[in-house]
Amino acid sequence: QQQVKQSPQSLIVQKGGISIINCAYENTAFDYFPWYQQFPGKGPALLIAIRPDVSEKKEGRFTISFNKSAKQFSLHIMDSQPGDSATYFCAASTNSGAGSYQLTFGKGTKLSVIP
Amino acid sequence: DAGITQSPRHKVTETGTPVTLRCHQTENHRYMYWYRQDPGHGLRLIHYSYGVKDTDKGEVSDGYSVSRSKTEDFLLTLESATSSQTSVYFCAISQTGRLASTGELFFGEGSRLTVL
Repeated sequence: QQQVKQSPQSLIVQKGGISIINCAYENTAFDYFPWYQQFPGKGPALLIAIRPDVSEKKEGRFTISFNKSAKQFSLHIMDSQPGDSATYFCAASTNSGAGSYQLTFGKGTKLSVIP
Repeated sequence: DAGITQSPRHKVTETGTPVTLRCHQTENHRYMYWYRQDPGHGLRLIHYSYGVKDTDKGEVSDGYSVSRSKTEDFLLTLESATSSQTSVYFCAISQTGRLASTGELFFGEGSRLTVL
């Protein structure tokens, strides 16, 4: 069964602090690991993504750390801001064949950044 | 924002009635998807399409059917709605089926369905 396990379910961080969200997977066929950010009343939007041949990817204040041997990856938000308050989903995809794919999402982490 | 329009955005219906949700895109993307989002479950794939009249089942397809007669439209139908289908439904599109090569799945703003 393809699963992506995400933790914590909710997270409260002080402004300026570091937010860390963790995900673990089982299927070694996964070849793409995106993170999506969702604000209330909106659809998810791609935040940052990584491929398994890279151990870390940084875009501004957002960093993905990837540990292939442990089958884990995490999102770090540096200098967290109240505007970062949203629900974050990790995900993983594999090419299921015939040119199609399936993207499996974690259950989400609700981040609240307090002033 | 990606050109994805979902309709209706909100709907309240009764158990046993048929419901159709529509997703319309202006991006000419080949791949379209329907997800449902529920608290504690994240986003789960219902059905997806990899071309006109080409569809396949996702993780939670029971009780749902889809149709795609044109590139721009992907319809999700609940033949006989049940309370367990109360959810927020998201349509998504992608340029190709292999996300590692394109990097992005674009989501619509969702359709909130309540089945009483």
